[in-house]
Amino acid sequence: AQSVAQPEDQVNVAEGNPLTVKCTYSVSGNPYLFWYVQYPNRGLQFLLKYITGDNLVKGSYGFEAEFNKSQTSFHLKKPSALVSDSALYFCAVREDGDDKIIFGKGTRLHILP
Amino acid sequence: GAVVSQHPSWVICKSGTSVKIECRSLDFQATTMFWYRQFPKQSLMLMATSNEGSKATYEQGVEKDKFLINHASLTLSTLTVTSAHPEDSSFYICSESGITEAFFGQGTRLTVV
Repeated sequence: AQSVAQPEDQVNVAEGNPLTVKCTYSVSGNPYLFWYVQYPNRGLQFLLKYITGDNLVKGSYGFEAEFNKSQTSFHLKKPSALVSDSALYFCAVREDGDDKIIFGKGTRLHILP
Repeated sequence: GAVVSQHPSWVICKSGTSVKIECRSLDFQATTMFWYRQFPKQSLMLMATSNEGSKATYEQGVEKDKFLINHASLTLSTLTVTSAHPEDSSFYICSESGITEAFFGQGTRLTVV
């Protein structure tokens, strides 16, 4: 069965600095990997995905993520953080051929002004 | 991406009553939809997979008689929390599964008093 680990409950970054939110995954087949963001009392907004192709994926709001097959990681990154990036971020995985998406526990990102 | 509309966005009900949450796919015919539950500061827990025209598939530990799911058409799935109790208070989110990523409703904050 697939699983996702987000080792950090919270990440604090000063505005303007680069940010990284970590994610590792486990699947038996080919992974589809996703990052979603959630603002308070709202549903999830899709940020980006890796299906196949280039390991570096660019998404919404200047975010990007790098797929690393050997390390089974899919860390979310942004070169310069904004205060408005403060939110709850979820990494998720779906196995090729399965409709279910499994989420990590989430990482709360605080961007300090 | 696809648009998923979830209603209501919040509801307060008395203990012992039932509450129905609707999830509509506005621009996509969804044969499969998913219902998640999110506890405060926690991740999304998949409750069940809603299948159009057939019975829902529940995850282990989810009471099917407590959380009734109906998916009578390709654009509407409903979750009914029956005989609600305070411990059912939570944030419920539906999603539909696209070809790769999932699209989420806005979520419903249920408070049982």
